[in-house]
Amino acid sequence: GNSVTQMEGPVTLSEEAFLTINCTYTATGYPSLFWYVQYPGEGLQLLLKATKADDKGSNKGFEATYRKETTSFHLEKGSVQVSDSAVYFCALSDLSGSARQLTFGSGTQLTVLP
Amino acid sequence: DAGITQSPRHKVTETGTPVTLRCHQTENHRYMYWYRQDPGHGLRLIHYSYGVKDTDKGEVSDGYSVSRSKTEDFLLTLESATSSQTSVYFCAISFMNGAGETQYFGPGTRLLVL
Repeated sequence: GNSVTQMEGPVTLSEEAFLTINCTYTATGYPSLFWYVQYPGEGLQLLLKATKADDKGSNKGFEATYRKETTSFHLEKGSVQVSDSAVYFCALSDLSGSARQLTFGSGTQLTVLP
Repeated sequence: DAGITQSPRHKVTETGTPVTLRCHQTENHRYMYWYRQDPGHGLRLIHYSYGVKDTDKGEVSDGYSVSRSKTEDFLLTLESATSSQTSVYFCAISFMNGAGETQYFGPGTRLLVL
């Protein structure tokens, strides 16, 4: 079956530091890949997505590239802010272009200190 | 904002009692989902619906039932609540837009079973 593995948290960074959150996946076929963010007390919000190999998703300074050869979709940001403190979830769907039947990673808690 | 509301937002109940959670959407989207969120597990799919009266089981459906008698409402019922069902429950919808198909989440319902 499908699975998503995220780096374990929590991750604590100082403001303006570089962020990487690792995500690797196991899936048959050609999945779509997603990063969601959850701020305290809220639901999940889509941060970015990629639907095929070598696609780069980007939003709000965050980026992730769909690497089929390494089955990875690592999240990066060049300079984090205190407002980026949240839980980040990597997810996949088992059909390219689809967002149904999502499989989620366990989430990575990020805290950014001023 | 994908127009998703969940009710109640918080509930405390006792073991053995029935509980119904409601998800309401305002935009007549076909696909709706119920997830539970637990520490270390990310989000896991309980049930989903692909139309009125059309539902199917997800990864963790035991102890849960759902109903969808009209497009805008998707109900999740715990027939006899257990302490293991203490969790945060999220409803989601999926639809196509300029970014392709994406799932959007409601604000969540925090359920405590004593």
